[in-house]
Amino acid sequence: GENVEQHPSTLSVQEGDSAVIKCTYSDSASNYFPWYKQELGKRPQLIIDIRSNVGEKKDQRIAVTLNKTAKHFSLHITETQPEDSAVYFCAASRGTGRRALTFGSGTRLQVQP
Amino acid sequence: DTEVTQTPKHLVMGMTNKKSLKCEQHMGHRAMYWYKQKAKKPPELMFVYSYEKLSINESVPSRFSPECPNSSLLNLHLHALQPEDSALYLCASSPLLERGPPSGELFFGEGSRLTVL
Repeated sequence: GENVEQHPSTLSVQEGDSAVIKCTYSDSASNYFPWYKQELGKRPQLIIDIRSNVGEKKDQRIAVTLNKTAKHFSLHITETQPEDSAVYFCAASRGTGRRALTFGSGTRLQVQP
Repeated sequence: DTEVTQTPKHLVMGMTNKKSLKCEQHMGHRAMYWYKQKAKKPPELMFVYSYEKLSINESVPSRFSPECPNSSLLNLHLHALQPEDSALYLCASSPLLERGPPSGELFFGEGSRLTVL
């Protein structure tokens, strides 16, 4: 089955700095890579996703890059704000079959004001 | 309506109790999921229903029994649980592309926080 590794487990940045979280996956057939943000006591919420037919996707301060050859993908947050503080999970799945998402272990991001 | 609604939000039960967690969505999604999440850990898949049929059971103990009575509802029946089953139980749904695979995007409910004494 799929195995997703995520680094770092914790990340502390100053407000305004950039944050980068990296994930690797094992199943070369995976073609859907979402990122979820989970605030304390809340549900995971999708913040951005990318499919294997593109290498980069951007949405305001958030961007995701995908390297299918190396089987890794990254989340980039620019101009971080205190409200970006949360746990971020990467995930991967195949687009075929009924496999659900396999999640990475999570990154706790703290943005210091 | 873009919500997945879970009840109850909190549940405390003894090891001999029988209880149920409920999940409802009205987005027309035909894939529904139960995940278990322990503190500081990612969600772990338990069950997947596609078109109201159980399609994935991730080797979950039989003390957890899922049920999908119709395309909008998903239940998780709990019986003879152990203290280590205490966790946040998340329901999620996703669209199915005609009769093909799920689209991938999961819409999560707020979860039911279960404590087993």
